[in-house]
Amino acid sequence: DIQMTQSPSSLSASVGDRVTITCRASQDISNHLAWYQQKPGKAPNLLIHAASTLQSGVPSRFSGSGSETDFTLTISGLQPEDVASYYCQNYNSVPRTFGQGTKVEIK
Amino acid sequence: EVQLVESGGGLVQPGGSLRLSCAASGFTFSSLAMSWVRQAPGKGLEWVSIISSRGDTTYYADSVKGRFTISRDNSKNTVYLQMTSLTAEDTAVYYCAKDHWTGPFDYWGQGTPVTVSS
Repeated sequence: DIQMTQSPSSLSASVGDRVTITCRASQDISNHLAWYQQKPGKAPNLLIHAASTLQSGVPSRFSGSGSETDFTLTISGLQPEDVASYYCQNYNSVPRTFGQGTKVEIK
Repeated sequence: EVQLVESGGGLVQPGGSLRLSCAASGFTFSSLAMSWVRQAPGKGLEWVSIISSRGDTTYYADSVKGRFTISRDNSKNTVYLQMTSLTAEDTAVYYCAKDHWTGPFDYWGQGTPVTVSS
């Protein structure tokens, strides 16, 4: 099975800061990587797929990059409404493993 | 508008069974795979199971293999998760998600909570 290792597990940043979350796959998954945002008490919401394609309706301050085993989610200009947990996911194969999650807070 | 509505969650005793349902609308249900994902209290997301569009191919996480069964009724636009031999470790919110088989989960239900406790 492919393991997804996400870091950091949590971070605290100021409004307007650039925030970066990384995700590493244990095997080559090409660009079959998605990022989800989950706010407390809510279902996850798809932000990015194919490693770098922004889902319709997602603010442009979110961006993704990477391929094969190393991926990055960047928030360019953190906003209060971005407080949430973020998860990467491999959809290259079954099981569709998720990273452990990154909790983003405002400093 | 795509909608996924889960139901069937609740309190069940250890060793018991429960069947979850996910009613879909707003897309061609019979053309797409579906997945179940769960989230234990305070924990991350765990993929549970997937079923192909025709229901002829299924996969499970090791943690539920042999205890959970995924199925679907394309005439009712509904996917099911039959859960047996439940333990406290199965306590979680269970989400169904629209799965493109080779794509991400672009829509999720609101989740249904399952609590396994005596």
